[in-house]
Amino acid sequence: ETGVTQSPTHLIKTRGQQVTLRCSSQSGHNTVSWYQQALGQGPQFIFQYYREEENGRGNFPPRFSGLQFPNYSSELNVNALELDDSALYLCASSLAQDLWGYTFGSGTRLTVV
Amino acid sequence: SQQGEEDPQALSIQEGENATMNCSYKTSINNLQWYRQNSGRGLVHLILIRSNEREKHSGRLRVTLDTSKKSSSLLITASRAADTASYFCATDGTGGGNKLTFGTGTQLKVEL
Repeated sequence: ETGVTQSPTHLIKTRGQQVTLRCSSQSGHNTVSWYQQALGQGPQFIFQYYREEENGRGNFPPRFSGLQFPNYSSELNVNALELDDSALYLCASSLAQDLWGYTFGSGTRLTVV
Repeated sequence: SQQGEEDPQALSIQEGENATMNCSYKTSINNLQWYRQNSGRGLVHLILIRSNEREKHSGRLRVTLDTSKKSSSLLITASRAADTASYFCATDGTGGGNKLTFGTGTQLKVEL
Protein backbone atom coordinates (compact mmCIF):
# COMPACT_ATOMS: atom_id res chain seq x y z
CA GLU A 1 0.00 0.00 0.00
CA THR A 2 1.33 3.40 -0.92
CA GLY A 3 0.63 6.77 0.63
CA VAL A 4 0.14 7.99 4.18
CA THR A 5 -3.13 7.15 5.90
CA GLN A 6 -4.47 9.08 8.88
CA SER A 7 -7.40 8.23 11.11
CA PRO A 8 -9.89 9.41 12.00
CA THR A 9 -10.56 12.11 9.42
CA HIS A 10 -12.69 14.20 11.75
CA LEU A 11 -13.02 14.23 15.52
CA ILE A 12 -14.91 16.32 18.07
CA LYS A 13 -13.76 16.23 21.68
CA THR A 14 -14.60 18.14 24.83
CA ARG A 15 -12.12 20.39 26.61
CA GLY A 16 -10.11 18.41 29.15
CA GLN A 17 -10.44 15.10 27.32
CA GLN A 18 -7.64 13.10 25.73
CA VAL A 19 -7.29 12.17 22.07
CA THR A 20 -5.22 9.73 20.02
CA LEU A 21 -4.60 10.28 16.33
CA ARG A 22 -3.12 7.58 14.12
CA CYS A 23 -0.86 7.57 11.07
CA SER A 24 0.29 4.75 8.80
CA SER A 25 3.47 5.69 6.97
CA GLN A 26 4.14 5.17 3.30
CA SER A 27 5.65 1.82 2.42
CA GLY A 28 9.44 1.95 2.81
CA HIS A 29 9.42 5.09 4.96
CA ASN A 30 10.85 4.83 8.48
CA THR A 31 10.40 8.39 9.78
CA VAL A 32 7.16 10.07 10.81
CA SER A 33 6.66 13.77 11.55
CA TRP A 34 3.58 15.43 12.99
CA TYR A 35 2.40 18.96 12.27
CA GLN A 36 -0.42 21.11 13.64
CA GLN A 37 -2.17 23.50 11.28
CA ALA A 38 -4.51 26.06 12.78
CA LEU A 39 -7.13 27.60 10.53
CA GLY A 40 -5.59 30.07 8.13
CA GLN A 41 -2.03 29.29 9.19
CA GLY A 42 0.83 27.21 7.91
CA PRO A 43 1.65 23.86 9.54
CA GLN A 44 3.78 23.93 12.67
CA PHE A 45 6.17 21.13 13.60
CA ILE A 46 5.18 19.12 16.67
CA PHE A 47 7.75 16.29 16.67
CA GLN A 48 9.38 13.59 14.62
CA TYR A 49 9.90 9.89 15.28
CA TYR A 50 12.69 7.79 13.82
CA ARG A 51 13.26 4.16 14.73
CA GLU A 52 10.65 4.42 17.49
CA GLU A 53 12.46 7.31 19.23
CA GLU A 54 11.53 10.98 19.35
CA ASN A 55 13.96 12.76 17.05
CA GLY A 56 13.24 16.45 17.34
CA ARG A 57 10.43 18.43 18.90
CA GLY A 58 8.82 21.77 18.22
CA ASN A 59 7.47 24.30 20.69
CA PHE A 60 4.62 22.19 22.04
CA PRO A 61 3.91 21.35 25.70
CA PRO A 62 4.49 17.85 27.15
CA ARG A 63 0.78 17.03 26.93
CA PHE A 64 1.52 16.43 23.24
CA SER A 65 3.21 13.04 23.06
CA GLY A 66 3.72 10.36 20.49
CA LEU A 67 4.73 6.84 19.68
CA GLN A 68 6.19 5.04 16.72
CA PHE A 69 5.69 1.32 16.30
CA PRO A 70 8.00 -1.32 14.76
CA ASN A 71 6.03 -1.11 11.50
CA TYR A 72 6.78 2.65 11.49
CA SER A 73 3.17 3.67 12.04
CA SER A 74 2.70 6.37 14.64
CA GLU A 75 0.30 7.86 17.15
CA LEU A 76 -0.09 11.43 18.39
CA ASN A 77 -1.63 11.75 21.84
CA VAL A 78 -2.89 14.99 23.30
CA ASN A 79 -3.95 15.15 26.94
CA ALA A 80 -6.06 17.77 28.71
CA LEU A 81 -7.41 19.19 25.46
CA GLU A 82 -7.77 22.94 25.18
CA LEU A 83 -9.94 24.92 22.78
CA ASP A 84 -6.78 26.14 20.99
CA ASP A 85 -5.89 22.55 20.13
CA SER A 86 -8.61 22.69 17.48
CA ALA A 87 -6.70 22.29 14.23
CA LEU A 88 -5.82 20.03 11.33
CA TYR A 89 -3.18 17.52 12.40
CA LEU A 90 -0.95 16.35 9.59
CA CYS A 91 1.32 13.36 9.55
CA ALA A 92 4.20 13.07 7.09
CA SER A 93 6.43 10.08 6.45
CA SER A 94 9.86 10.04 4.89
CA LEU A 95 12.89 7.84 4.43
CA ALA A 96 15.52 8.24 7.12
CA GLN A 97 15.62 11.92 7.98
CA ASP A 98 15.38 13.40 4.51
CA LEU A 99 13.48 16.64 4.58
CA TRP A 100 12.72 16.67 0.89
CA GLY A 101 11.01 13.32 0.57
CA TYR A 102 7.99 14.01 2.74
CA THR A 103 4.65 12.40 1.91
CA PHE A 104 1.78 13.95 3.82
CA GLY A 105 -1.46 12.32 4.84
CA SER A 106 -4.81 14.03 4.40
CA GLY A 107 -4.93 15.00 8.05
CA THR A 108 -7.26 14.68 11.02
CA ARG A 109 -9.52 17.64 11.70
CA LEU A 110 -9.83 17.96 15.52
CA THR A 111 -12.45 20.23 17.01
CA VAL A 112 -12.39 20.87 20.76
CA VAL A 113 -15.60 22.23 22.25
CA SER B 1 6.24 30.08 15.07
CA GLN B 2 6.09 30.61 11.33
CA GLN B 3 9.35 31.03 9.45
CA GLY B 4 8.09 34.00 7.52
CA GLU B 5 5.47 35.58 5.42
CA GLU B 6 3.97 34.79 2.07
CA ASP B 7 2.70 37.46 -0.20
CA PRO B 8 0.02 37.96 -1.26
CA GLN B 9 -2.23 36.29 1.31
CA ALA B 10 -4.82 35.76 -1.41
CA LEU B 11 -4.69 35.97 -5.20
CA SER B 12 -7.51 35.72 -7.71
CA ILE B 13 -6.78 35.41 -11.42
CA GLN B 14 -8.40 34.25 -14.65
CA GLU B 15 -7.62 30.90 -16.22
CA GLY B 16 -4.66 31.20 -18.56
CA GLU B 17 -2.98 33.99 -16.61
CA ASN B 18 0.24 33.56 -14.66
CA ALA B 19 0.25 33.49 -10.87
CA THR B 20 3.20 34.68 -8.82
CA MET B 21 3.50 34.24 -5.09
CA ASN B 22 6.37 35.24 -2.84
CA CYS B 23 7.86 33.86 0.32
CA SER B 24 10.22 35.48 2.78
CA TYR B 25 12.06 33.65 5.52
CA LYS B 26 14.16 34.62 8.50
CA THR B 27 17.11 32.27 8.98
CA SER B 28 19.76 30.65 6.81
CA ILE B 29 18.48 27.59 5.01
CA ASN B 30 19.66 24.39 3.35
CA ASN B 31 16.64 24.01 1.06
CA LEU B 32 13.34 25.67 0.30
CA GLN B 33 10.30 23.75 -0.85
CA TRP B 34 6.88 24.67 -2.14
CA TYR B 35 3.77 22.70 -1.22
CA ARG B 36 0.18 22.84 -2.37
CA GLN B 37 -2.87 22.19 -0.19
CA ASN B 38 -6.40 21.69 -1.44
CA SER B 39 -9.30 22.66 0.84
CA GLY B 40 -7.42 22.27 4.12
CA ARG B 41 -6.37 18.69 3.41
CA GLY B 42 -2.94 17.11 2.97
CA LEU B 43 0.07 18.87 1.53
CA VAL B 44 1.49 17.89 -1.84
CA HIS B 45 5.16 18.52 -2.55
CA LEU B 46 5.67 20.62 -5.69
CA ILE B 47 9.33 21.52 -5.99
CA LEU B 48 12.54 21.85 -3.97
CA ILE B 49 15.31 24.37 -4.55
CA ARG B 50 18.65 24.12 -2.78
CA SER B 51 20.34 27.09 -1.20
CA ASN B 52 23.05 27.12 -3.89
CA GLU B 53 20.50 27.23 -6.71
CA ARG B 54 18.89 30.39 -8.04
CA GLU B 55 16.16 29.06 -10.30
CA LYS B 56 14.40 25.80 -10.95
CA HIS B 57 11.67 24.66 -13.32
CA SER B 58 9.17 21.84 -13.21
CA GLY B 59 6.46 21.76 -15.84
CA ARG B 60 4.44 24.98 -15.45
CA LEU B 61 6.24 25.86 -12.22
CA ARG B 62 9.22 28.16 -11.92
CA VAL B 63 10.86 28.82 -8.57
CA THR B 64 13.50 31.40 -7.81
CA LEU B 65 15.57 31.80 -4.68
CA ASP B 66 17.47 34.85 -3.48
CA THR B 67 19.36 33.91 -0.33
CA SER B 68 20.74 37.45 0.08
CA LYS B 69 17.18 38.73 0.43
CA LYS B 70 15.94 35.56 2.13
CA SER B 71 13.11 35.29 -0.36
CA SER B 72 11.67 32.96 -2.96
CA SER B 73 8.99 33.18 -5.58
CA LEU B 74 6.75 30.59 -7.20
CA LEU B 75 5.41 31.27 -10.68
CA ILE B 76 2.62 29.15 -12.11
CA THR B 77 2.26 29.77 -15.82
CA ALA B 78 -0.94 29.34 -17.85
CA SER B 79 -2.99 28.71 -14.74
CA ARG B 80 -5.97 26.37 -14.70
CA ALA B 81 -9.03 26.21 -12.48
CA ALA B 82 -7.53 23.02 -10.99
CA ASP B 83 -4.61 25.10 -9.66
CA THR B 84 -6.99 26.67 -7.12
CA ALA B 85 -5.43 25.83 -3.76
CA SER B 86 -3.27 27.21 -0.97
CA TYR B 87 0.46 27.31 -1.59
CA PHE B 88 3.08 27.19 1.16
CA CYS B 89 6.81 27.58 1.19
CA ALA B 90 8.77 25.51 3.69
CA THR B 91 12.39 25.75 4.75
CA ASP B 92 14.83 23.62 6.65
CA GLY B 93 17.42 25.63 8.49
CA THR B 94 21.19 25.33 8.60
CA GLY B 95 20.94 25.24 12.38
CA GLY B 96 20.10 21.57 12.21
CA GLY B 97 17.02 19.78 13.40
CA ASN B 98 14.59 17.73 11.46
CA LYS B 99 11.69 20.03 10.94
CA LEU B 100 10.24 21.98 8.07
CA THR B 101 9.20 25.53 8.90
CA PHE B 102 6.25 26.70 6.85
CA GLY B 103 5.16 30.14 5.77
CA THR B 104 1.66 31.49 6.22
CA GLY B 105 0.51 30.53 2.72
CA THR B 106 -1.06 32.14 -0.32
CA GLN B 107 -4.64 31.26 -1.28
CA LEU B 108 -4.87 31.11 -5.06
CA LYS B 109 -8.20 31.14 -6.86
CA VAL B 110 -8.25 30.59 -10.61
CA GLU B 111 -11.55 31.53 -12.20
CA LEU B 112 -12.91 30.29 -15.51
